[in-house]
Amino acid sequence: EPEVTQTPSHQVTQMGQEVILRCVPISNHLYFYWYRQILGQKVEFLVSFYNNEISEKSEIFDDQFSVERPDGSNFTLKIRSTKLEDSAMYFCAARTAGETQYFGPGTRLLVL
Amino acid sequence: AQSVTQLGSHVSVSEGALVLLRCNYSSSVPPYLFWYVQYPNQGLQLLLKYTTGATLVKGINGFEAEFKKSETSFHLTKPSAHMSDAAEYFCAVSDGSGKYIFGTGTRLKVLA
Repeated sequence: EPEVTQTPSHQVTQMGQEVILRCVPISNHLYFYWYRQILGQKVEFLVSFYNNEISEKSEIFDDQFSVERPDGSNFTLKIRSTKLEDSAMYFCAARTAGETQYFGPGTRLLVL
Repeated sequence: AQSVTQLGSHVSVSEGALVLLRCNYSSSVPPYLFWYVQYPNQGLQLLLKYTTGATLVKGINGFEAEFKKSETSFHLTKPSAHMSDAAEYFCAVSDGSGKYIFGTGTRLKVLA
């Protein structure tokens, strides 16, 4: 059964550095999402993406964040200048026209 | 706006006992409701979902949940807990815009 995959599984970076988190959705998925989960807290919505455009974004998704799907397969989340508080698990999710989102295994980001 | 409340951040049950994890939601439109499970250091796995139709939905691993509109609830149950059920469980609501709003999670501990 095809799965949503994410790379890397873990990333450690220095504050102020740029990071790119990658997601490979299942091929027939049309809608894409990023969520984050700070350690011990709930999963929070960051952004949704459809037809090569951001559909909706949360207050968390400020100018330091960007998303793109450059080659029609990979869906990336870029954080331009990381802050300590960006340390979290980042989940990619995707779906077809139905409501069920399929989540990737996550990328654990640690900002030092 | 949608919201989800999960009562009890930690629940302990004995092996073989009934599991009941509570979820109440707030939604201005007919909701889509989901339960996800997260095992340690892993991603989110869909347990079950309610979109339309039968209000009692069955999921994987023997779990089920009942949508009660009058009580705005979607509690998760399993008749007999197994040690392998120990994990964190998240209830989520989608209003049809696509994004999920998650509850704060309930960590289930199963005692031998």
